[in-house]
Amino acid sequence: QVQLVQSGAEVKKPGASVKVSCKASGYTFTDYYMHWVRQAPGQGLEWMGWINPNSGGSNYAQKFQGRVTMTRDTSISTAYMELSRLRSDDTAVYYCARSLRDSTGYLNWFDPWGQGTLVTVSS
Amino acid sequence: DIVLTQSPDSLAVSLGERATINCKSSQSVLFSSKNKKYLAWYQQKPGQPPKLLIYWASTRESGVPDRFSGSGSGTNFTLTISSLQAEDVAVYYCQQYYSTPITFGQGTRLEIK
Repeated sequence: QVQLVQSGAEVKKPGASVKVSCKASGYTFTDYYMHWVRQAPGQGLEWMGWINPNSGGSNYAQKFQGRVTMTRDTSISTAYMELSRLRSDDTAVYYCARSLRDSTGYLNWFDPWGQGTLVTVSS
Repeated sequence: DIVLTQSPDSLAVSLGERATINCKSSQSVLFSSKNKKYLAWYQQKPGQPPKLLIYWASTRESGVPDRFSGSGSGTNFTLTISSLQAEDVAVYYCQQYYSTPITFGQGTRLEIK
């Protein structure tokens, strides 16, 4: 079955960087875009950006540009999200989620989602 | 950016009764030439990732009970649970995937009355 398995929880100090992984299985990794979405404690869902595992191309939300880098390793079907210059308000659960890009170039819905990775930023 | 505004923020419904959640978009998410509405609904239970319920505004994902239905026009959408079950207690989000940045509604918390 299609599955996205993320790396474990992280605790970081302000100013540090964190790199979260998302290992895909059950489908052809390069056929689907991978998105990253975060959710602060008790809050809603915030889209961070996507990576095209086939080309390595990416598109980041303006809020995160300059701080986020999305990469992939096709040999192990794994996507990565690195966030730098961490602040306390980056404390959140970070999710990866898969979507298609259809023939017209439009993205589709997200399914499935990874189980989430809690990143805690605290001094 | 497309802003999605859900109403209400929270909702308490008796078991077996109908629950209705609304999602209003700041601009159309209808791709006219395909006649597709680029809107999805997700269910999130505590400690779990979101789960896809509905896409194209009204297409139920495989395995989702048929008590869940979606409807709407280019800017106003509705998620309806026809007969609330205990396992439906969750937060529900709408999402537009028409344009980036992809955006979500703020969420609606559904509880049992």
